Order: sequence, then C-alpha cells, then structure tokens
Amino acid sequence: KAGVTQTPRYLIKTRGQQVTLSCSPISGHRSVSWYQQTPGQGLQFLFEYFSETQRNKGNFPGRFSGRQFSNSRSEMNVSTLELGDSALYLCASSLASGSGSDTQYFGPGTRLTVL
Amino acid sequence: AQSVSQHNHHVILSEAASLELGCNYSYGGTVNLFWYVQYPGQHLQLLLKYFSGDPLVKGIKGFEAEFIKSKFSFNLRKPSVQWSDTAEYFCAVMPFSGGYNKLIFGAGTRLAVHP
Repeated sequence: KAGVTQTPRYLIKTRGQQVTLSCSPISGHRSVSWYQQTPGQGLQFLFEYFSETQRNKGNFPGRFSGRQFSNSRSEMNVSTLELGDSALYLCASSLASGSGSDTQYFGPGTRLTVL
Repeated sequence: AQSVSQHNHHVILSEAASLELGCNYSYGGTVNLFWYVQYPGQHLQLLLKYFSGDPLVKGIKGFEAEFIKSKFSFNLRKPSVQWSDTAEYFCAVMPFSGGYNKLIFGAGTRLAVHP
C-alpha cells in the first residue's frame, strides 16, 4: 500500500499570503489529522477530519482551517501568513475504526517557509 | 492540561550501549501510548504502540517499551544500540476518547550513536 502523501513538499511564501497544503491518506483510511512541527514548540495537533467533518481541533487561531473530501483526501489552509507559521506541516491518516484504538501513520510533511 | 514529558532532550551513546528513554504523561483517564522515530531526512515512523494487555510491548528494530500505569510512564528501551539508531524519538499519548484522534507529543529526544 502506498503511504500518506503530501503536496507540495516545499513552499516559500511571504507574509500576508495564504497557502493550501494537500494530503492523500493511505487507501482505506478515513481519518486525517494535521500537525505542526517547529523547533520551539515541537509537534502540535492542529485538527482532525473524519467523514468530511472536523472532529477535533487544537489551539490554533482561526487562520488555520481545513477540509476533507469524500475520498478522504484533505487540505489545510493558512490565511494571512505570519513569520511564525514557518514550520513542517505533517499529515497523518488512520483507519478510524471507532474502537478508540487507532494508529496514525504520517506523511513526509510540507516544509513551509514564510519570508 | 494533558502533557507528555520526555526526560532527556539529547542522548549520546556508543554502539552496543543500552538505551532507555524516559516518557511520562499527565492524564487521568485511559490512554493509548506510542513511540515514533524520525530518522534524519525521513518522515515520522511508528516504532511501537500500547493499547491494552501486556504492559511490555515490542516494536520494530529491537525496541521495546514498558507501560507502568501507577507511574504514568512509558519508557523506551533497547539493549544494544547501533549507529543506524541515530534519530529523534517522540513519545506520544492519545487520550481514549471514543474514537477521536489527537496525539499529544513530547518534545522529543535526539539520540546520537557513535561507532
């Protein structure tokens, strides 16, 4: 099975712009979660989508949003970019079996640099 | 607030030395526990996981971890490290919340293994 794929792998934007990142989960996985990784804050949960609905959200401002499509692919959007948004954005997918015991598998990430 | 604490930020070992990385979490309810590894230039990979049952779990590449509920700990061990184990290791907790996926990560431990 193919793993989680993320596009693009690298992005350079300037302050004030907006950006859209894409994630394709492992085939058959219905849940997609997004994380931000920075040297200072580490890995932080952004949000999770299941069945095209946001089920869980971390402590990030409203500039960070996402959506999920019927084929489970997901996108996240960051509007009005700030320098502090420079980070590695990771997508993870899981089966979402409903048992509460899910394992998340991560993609390679999108490296966003805000100038 | 839920949190995960990894005791060592940097560990330097010689090949064949034994490894133990500490991880403690703060959450009063049932949790699922994970160790992920990030090799240089690669994406986050699952090393091992604990959902229930035997508190001693074995993962890939000779790693194991022990869940001690009374100490809220999930320490990672390997009897004899290799140069190829050089990587960053992340402990993560997923509160058992009826199927919702949210991983809370520790700050990570950078392991350098010298030949």
